Formats: sequence, C-alpha cells, structure tokens
Amino acid sequence: GQQLNQSPQSMFIQEGEDVSMNCTSSSIFNTWLWYKQDPGEGPVLLIALYKAGELTSNGRLTAQFGITRKDSFLNISASIPSDVGIYFCAAGGTSYGKLTFGQGTILTVHP
Amino acid sequence: DGGITQSPKYLFRKEGQNVTLSCEQNLNHDAMYWYRQDPGQGLRLIYYSQIVNDFQKGDIAEGYSVSREKKESFPLTVTSAQKNPTAFYLCASRPGQGSYNSPLHFGNGTRLTVT
Repeated sequence: GQQLNQSPQSMFIQEGEDVSMNCTSSSIFNTWLWYKQDPGEGPVLLIALYKAGELTSNGRLTAQFGITRKDSFLNISASIPSDVGIYFCAAGGTSYGKLTFGQGTILTVHP
Repeated sequence: DGGITQSPKYLFRKEGQNVTLSCEQNLNHDAMYWYRQDPGQGLRLIYYSQIVNDFQKGDIAEGYSVSREKKESFPLTVTSAQKNPTAFYLCASRPGQGSYNSPLHFGNGTRLTVT
C-alpha cells in the first residue's frame, strides 16, 4: 500500500531552537496534514494543506505542501517545552477520505 | 461541546476473549474510522464507514469486526483471531463524502492490553 517516510524519527533539542521535520512518498496526494499527539491522547490537527506549493503558518508552526505533491515539511520556530510530543504527517484526499500516516517524529525539548 | 468519545480509556482482557471498544461522536459526521497505533509504526487503518449500515476493511482488518447501526456510533470488536491485539486504538470521524479533503478528528484512544 501507500507509505509515507517521515524523518527524523526523533529529535532532542534545547528550548528556543528551531525544528524541522519532513515526509516523503512515492505516491501523489491531494492533501497533506500535520498532527501532534500528546502521550495517551489522540492526535490533534496542527495544519492542513490542500494545494501544491502551499505554505501555511499557524503561530510558530509553518508547513509546506511540496510542489510535486509527494512531500511536505513542518517547521517549528523557537521551541518551548510544551512542544514535546509525537508529530505525524498524514496524506490523503483520494478515495473515501482515507489517510496514510507517517511513522511519527518524537520531539523532546530540554528547558 | 462536540467531539468523539472513546471508552474505556484502559482495557485489560485475557487471551481468547473478544472485546468491544466504544466510539461515539456528536459532530454529526457521516464517516468514521478505526486506527491502530503501535510504537514506531504510525497509525494503521483497521475499518472505516462512510455511512450508516455500510463499512469497509482497511489495511489491517483481520481479527477485527465493526458495526455501524447508528450515525453516532462505530464500535470495534477485537476478536480472539487477532494475533497481536495489545495496542492503542484510535477512533476518528470526518464529514461525509462531499468533503473528502477534510481532516480527521480523533478521540482520545483506548489502550487495550491482552495477557
């Protein structure tokens, strides 16, 4: 089936640093989404991207829908301790709204 | 407040027993989904339903069953045929087929442990 390759798998950074993570695929998608999951909770939507080349910001978060429609990245600027969690990319927009998820990036922020 | 409620939060079962996980939503969404999450593997789709009384297998449906008798409810049964049932199960929903690009909304999950 379709797969998303998300990297890095984990990141350990100092508070205040910027963070970048990305997802790539061999398949073309119409939608790219970025979610954050806190321990023991369900994923929460951060940013949704619907157009190739689209660059969208949500506070300190910025994400882009790759021009080839096969990739996306998420940047977090000036990280803070509450940014800790697992970040997932997801792609879809094809049949019946099914989403394919990346493996997740575990982010740890040291104060 | 509208949302998705999964219950219970934690569930423990003995091997060989069937167990049903509850998922209820009051968002008036047509489509509902069940995902399984294992460490380092992201979310994998078990079953999904686009409309009441209809559902389709996802990527890892073996050993699971679902029903969709009401719009608000999409329970998942983990049967004894599921070889490795211990996992975190997430239910999600979204508006119907006319909005196929809309993001999924997730519940807070049920952690199932089978010993």
